[in-house]
Amino acid sequence: QVQLQESGPGLVKPSETLSLTCTVSGGSISSYYWSWIRQPPGKGLEWIGYIYYSGSTNYNPSLKSRVTISVDTSKNQFSLELSSVTAADTAVYYCARVEIKFGGVPGGRAVWFDPWGQGTLVTVSS
Amino acid sequence: SYELTQPPSVSVSPGQTASFTCSGDKLGDKYTSWYQQKPGQSPVLVIYQDSERPSGIPERFSGSNSGNTATLTISGTQATDEADYYCQAWDRTTSVVFGGGTKLAVL
Repeated sequence: QVQLQESGPGLVKPSETLSLTCTVSGGSISSYYWSWIRQPPGKGLEWIGYIYYSGSTNYNPSLKSRVTISVDTSKNQFSLELSSVTAADTAVYYCARVEIKFGGVPGGRAVWFDPWGQGTLVTVSS
Repeated sequence: SYELTQPPSVSVSPGQTASFTCSGDKLGDKYTSWYQQKPGQSPVLVIYQDSERPSGIPERFSGSNSGNTATLTISGTQATDEADYYCQAWDRTTSVVFGGGTKLAVL
């Protein structure tokens, strides 16, 4: 079955850019959406954004000005960049596959995340 | 922006039924998913599209959604069900939104 693995630096300095990569194994990255989600220590889940394998993106409005998600289909990977980080960006960062089904009220859709990677803790500190 | 509200905690005795609520404006017009997260682990999808169970999720997990409230129900709760449970929906203004999570204690 599909498995996801996050990788990247565990420590980032304030004002710098956080960069993470998610490697997809056991299946192709094509024909799916892929997402980043984070969880500050002891707190709840926060959606960051998702990308279609073709490159189209959708970001959390609260993070949109600082986030870039990209995809490399040749490597079966997608990546996250979060700029100008502060201590508030310290969190476990998860990657996940996204399922989207259109329906319900006009313009509505069902969105769910499955499976998830194991997560990687990124600490923002000097 | 759209918000989902969950109670911080729920407690239940082993073998009893645990219910988790998730509230949001006209949530019944949207589709809700639910995730289980055990300490130190990644979240696991337990319900999608309000009431569908992924393969491998026990039948004692069920979901419903109507009005302003979605509900996750665990029948015959087991000690291994102790975890945090998060609801999640999609809204045209906020895109993806998660509830704050509910901690289940099996006492």
